[in-house]
Amino acid sequence: GENVEQHPSTLSVQEGDSAVIKCTYSDSASNYFPWYKQELGKRPQLIIDIRSNVGEKKDQRIAVTLNKTAKHFSLHITETQPEDSAVYFCAAKYKAAGNKLTFGGGTRVLVKP
Amino acid sequence: GAVVSQHPSWVICKSGTSVKIECRSLDFQATTMFWYRQFPKQSLMLMATSNEGSKATYEQGVEKDKFLINHASLTLSTLTVTSAHPEDSSFYICSAWTSGGAAYNEQFFGPGTRLTVL
Repeated sequence: GENVEQHPSTLSVQEGDSAVIKCTYSDSASNYFPWYKQELGKRPQLIIDIRSNVGEKKDQRIAVTLNKTAKHFSLHITETQPEDSAVYFCAAKYKAAGNKLTFGGGTRVLVKP
Repeated sequence: GAVVSQHPSWVICKSGTSVKIECRSLDFQATTMFWYRQFPKQSLMLMATSNEGSKATYEQGVEKDKFLINHASLTLSTLTVTSAHPEDSSFYICSAWTSGGAAYNEQFFGPGTRLTVL
């Protein structure tokens, strides 16, 4: 089955700096890669996603890149703000596995004012 | 956007009792829903896939007789934790793809249910 690894597990950045989180996946047939933000005690919220036919996608301060050859994808947050502090999860969907999402271990991001 | 609701949002029960958690898709039909469990400071772990009108598919290591899943309609799936024990205390979250699992839609999550077993 699919396996997703996420690094780093914790990330502390100064407000205004950039944050980068990287994930690798194992199954080359995976075709959908979402990123979720989860605040304490709340549901994961989709912040951006990318399909396997696209190499990069950007939405304001958030961007995601996908390297299918290397089987890794990354989340980039620019001009970080204190409200960006949360846990971020990457995931991969392998259609043949019943459209299940496999999640990375999560990255706890702390943006220091 | 699509909305998934869960009820209750939190529950405290005594060891040995059963607890039912409901997951509803409010503005779309979901032939498939997913149940996750999340322990503190950990990732989401898929427990089972709930299929409308048929049996749920459980992930390896998840006891199907302990975690009963019923997907009786296109908008409702229920998870019953039977004979709950303290180690079952966790955050249970359901989710569903919009349009019932089509290839290019989003997976929306319910708000979660915090279960505490005393």
